[in-house]
Amino acid sequence: AQKVTQAQTEISVVEKEDVTLDCVYETRDTTYYLFWYKQPPSGELVFLIRRNSFDEQNEISGRYSWNFQKSTSSFNFTITASQVVDSAVYFCALSALYNQGGKLIFGQGTELSVKP
Amino acid sequence: DARVTQTPRHKVTEMGQEVTMRCQPILGHNTVFWYRQTMMQGLELLAYFRNRAPLDDSGMPKDRFSAEMPDATLATLKIQPSEPRDSAVYFCASAPSNQPQHFGDGTRLSIL
Repeated sequence: AQKVTQAQTEISVVEKEDVTLDCVYETRDTTYYLFWYKQPPSGELVFLIRRNSFDEQNEISGRYSWNFQKSTSSFNFTITASQVVDSAVYFCALSALYNQGGKLIFGQGTELSVKP
Repeated sequence: DARVTQTPRHKVTEMGQEVTMRCQPILGHNTVFWYRQTMMQGLELLAYFRNRAPLDDSGMPKDRFSAEMPDATLATLKIQPSEPRDSAVYFCASAPSNQPQHFGDGTRLSIL
């Protein structure tokens, strides 16, 4: 069975603080994808990143960085120097690489509130 | 930027009524997904299609929900009869083969 756990339901930080959102996953597949999506207050789901299980290199994109560790089945997301516009619900998700059509299994989401 | 288009954005209706939600996937995307988001269950997959063929609808209540793709530019999700527990945000997403999914803005459904 596949499962994604985001243990942090809500996080509140003050602007310019760094914040890390945790994601732990379970899968029996040896090959899979991991994702992060952002859902701002307006409600849409915005794709942020996809990593495949072959590639454990960390990735940085501007103020965003992702740490993928297969040994601990974790795919954590860090926002550096947070801004009010980062306030949103962030979802971690998992999909099989080659079968099941790419359907996403989502975590419950972490609501991030960045205060000025 | 190409976008997945969902209509209507909001729908309020009384229980027992038929509800039809529509989705126009991004041109060239051959895989279409329907997800439902509720406070209790979070985001869960209802059904998905590849090249218009249904691949998995195990997430849908079969007795009242149906999903179809009459053509490559339209996917529909119907609920008949609707019940208050169907109140949720319904998202459509599309993707080219083996690529990340792009989501529409969702249909916020309220069944009174």
